[in-house]
Amino acid sequence: SAVISQKPSRDICQRGTSLTIQCQVDSQVTMMFWYRQQPGQSLTLIATANQGSEATYESGFVIDKFPISRPNLTFSTLTVSNMSPEDSSIYLCSARGQGLEAFFGQGTRLTVV
Amino acid sequence: AQSVAQPEDQVNVAEGNPLTVKCTYSVSGNPYLFWYVQYPNRGLQFLLKYITGDNLVKGSYGFEAEFNKSQTSFHLKKPSALVSDSALYFCAVRANYGGATNKLIFGTGTLLAVQP
Repeated sequence: SAVISQKPSRDICQRGTSLTIQCQVDSQVTMMFWYRQQPGQSLTLIATANQGSEATYESGFVIDKFPISRPNLTFSTLTVSNMSPEDSSIYLCSARGQGLEAFFGQGTRLTVV
Repeated sequence: AQSVAQPEDQVNVAEGNPLTVKCTYSVSGNPYLFWYVQYPNRGLQFLLKYITGDNLVKGSYGFEAEFNKSQTSFHLKKPSALVSDSALYFCAVRANYGGATNKLIFGTGTLLAVQP
């Protein structure tokens, strides 16, 4: 199994600012993903982070708002740009290697005030 | 299109009793099926998966799940519940075609509450 370290674990941010979340995997993985989750609710996929190329975004999510980087096979970042209170949520990093199951980081709890 | 349904928002069970958390799915072709558990203020932890083969799969913490193709179900079970099993449980499905890019689709989650 892969161990995923995600930071920060939580943050309180002012509206209009940006926050970058980092995700580090302890082994090389094929796929990395970013999800959003309201507390106690299901997960919504934001995008697939592609190594060396632009991320693939799901419907309703755009690169200008959620730029993603993946410079290598073990690291990715998600930036939440120009934040508003509606962006308050839990953001989860996920990775999948040669096995078929995905593993998740501990999440970043973001509050925008 | 792929989808997952967890018909129960919450399941209540007494400690020591068997528990079942229900999941049904819809996918084109054969599915890959997964169960995850989420404790408060934590990320998702992988419990078990069905890929192929034996319909009964065993996972972490004494949990098991039975794949039923005719009913398109993958219910999570445990013979004897513990208070520490209380958490949010997610079923997820991914189609087994199209290469590695297929997305994992999650159900809405079921809150399991085990009473002492």
